[in-house]
Amino acid sequence: SQQGEEDPQALSIQEGENATMNCSYKTSINNLQWYRQNSGRGLVHLILIRSNEREKHSGRLRVTLDTSKKSSSLLITASRAADTASYFCATNSGNTGKLIFGQGTTLQVKP
Amino acid sequence: DVKVTQSSRYLVKRTGEKVFLECVQDMDHENMFWYRQDPGLGLRLIYFSYDVKMKEKGDIPEGYSVSREKKERFSLILESASTNQTSMYLCASRARLLPAYNEQFFGPGTRLTVL
Repeated sequence: SQQGEEDPQALSIQEGENATMNCSYKTSINNLQWYRQNSGRGLVHLILIRSNEREKHSGRLRVTLDTSKKSSSLLITASRAADTASYFCATNSGNTGKLIFGQGTTLQVKP
Repeated sequence: DVKVTQSSRYLVKRTGEKVFLECVQDMDHENMFWYRQDPGLGLRLIYFSYDVKMKEKGDIPEGYSVSREKKERFSLILESASTNQTSMYLCASRARLLPAYNEQFFGPGTRLTVL
């Protein structure tokens, strides 16, 4: 079952601009995670935000979480061509390590 | 650094063949997962394992089985491959910590084509 839905499905920006991706989910969560996938490769974990947190930063990444709206956003500031990838949100519920992934946002950063 | 390896990057098999996809992790993680990734559908969980010799069905287990005889290795088995199992297969592992506030580490993926 797919819990996360991401918006937009595709995003194309110029290098230096900011990129914002959104994720909505349906059920209550323990945490929400963002992953990056370079073309044809495995996923790499970017950042995790817990259900009792509202905002988190890691380098050029900023994640927000609004549990009342069941939504999260990932902001990449000052984007670089190397940020070109697909980005997935994933939610964790219950007391297992299972994640439910969204369908992803494909980001293209033009040099 | 955690390393998760998968036995093949690309694999081509024929319909009806038995297919083994192997995944090995080197960080003594208890939990391991198999996903398939298809365009427009994202990642879908096939099977997961909490620990050695333990397995649980995910969202799409039909046509697949798994084996976890050793902690570091989690195998996905397609008993009789079909063309609709053509996909990218991703393995992941995770340390079992309570509460579940930690990430999964992914292998590079195996792109399987069934002809």
